[in-house]
Amino acid sequence: GESVGLHLPTLSVQEGDNSIINCAYSNSASDYFIWYKQESGKGPQFIIDIRSNMDKRQGQRVTVLLNKTVKHLSLQIAATQPGDSAVYFCAEGLQGNYQLIWGAGTKLIIKP
Amino acid sequence: GAGVSQSPSNKVTEKGKDVELRCDPISGHTALYWYRQSLGQGLEFLIYFQGNSAPDKSGLPSDRFSAERTGGSVSTLTIQRTQQEDSAVYLCASSLTGTGGYEQYFGPGTRLTVT
Repeated sequence: GESVGLHLPTLSVQEGDNSIINCAYSNSASDYFIWYKQESGKGPQFIIDIRSNMDKRQGQRVTVLLNKTVKHLSLQIAATQPGDSAVYFCAEGLQGNYQLIWGAGTKLIIKP
Repeated sequence: GAGVSQSPSNKVTEKGKDVELRCDPISGHTALYWYRQSLGQGLEFLIYFQGNSAPDKSGLPSDRFSAERTGGSVSTLTIQRTQQEDSAVYLCASSLTGTGGYEQYFGPGTRLTVT
């Protein structure tokens, strides 16, 4: 289930199940969206990105969905593995603007 | 190729001392960013460099914080008269350009502890 802890929202998923991590972005003008994965003790690592002219993009075991109508972004991870345990951040940006607006992050916990 | 590197990986300092944190971006990346991350929190933007210029310093928490970048490459973040609230992980990232649409590559961070 999904819960809001003292700091980061947490999502607990059974190993082998699919995970869906959600993000509400803030700027309707944003045209570039990224998902990052941050493992404990490491810097964030790029997973996948999507531009605003698309509503779906697939990578290896990951799919990003973009709903511009409700300013919603989601990351789907298929067949979740223990190595997927991390904090996942969404970020939004605008072509021609250096600044990324970062989401608060969601901690994904994999149950054996 | 080599990624973004940061040094030191860990720094413990006494309150009131100055510290310098170093970032080596990916070669050829013109844009460089510093962020701060407190335990269990998201990323707090500090400063952005395009080449050696810092067009946006708005995220620096106080005038005790400063940063420079030389030769369009290495950057140092300096914190003077450190306070306990400065304790955090300081992350550096670089990207190919600062014009958006390019992913930021992050270093492993420097964990700063002020005692």
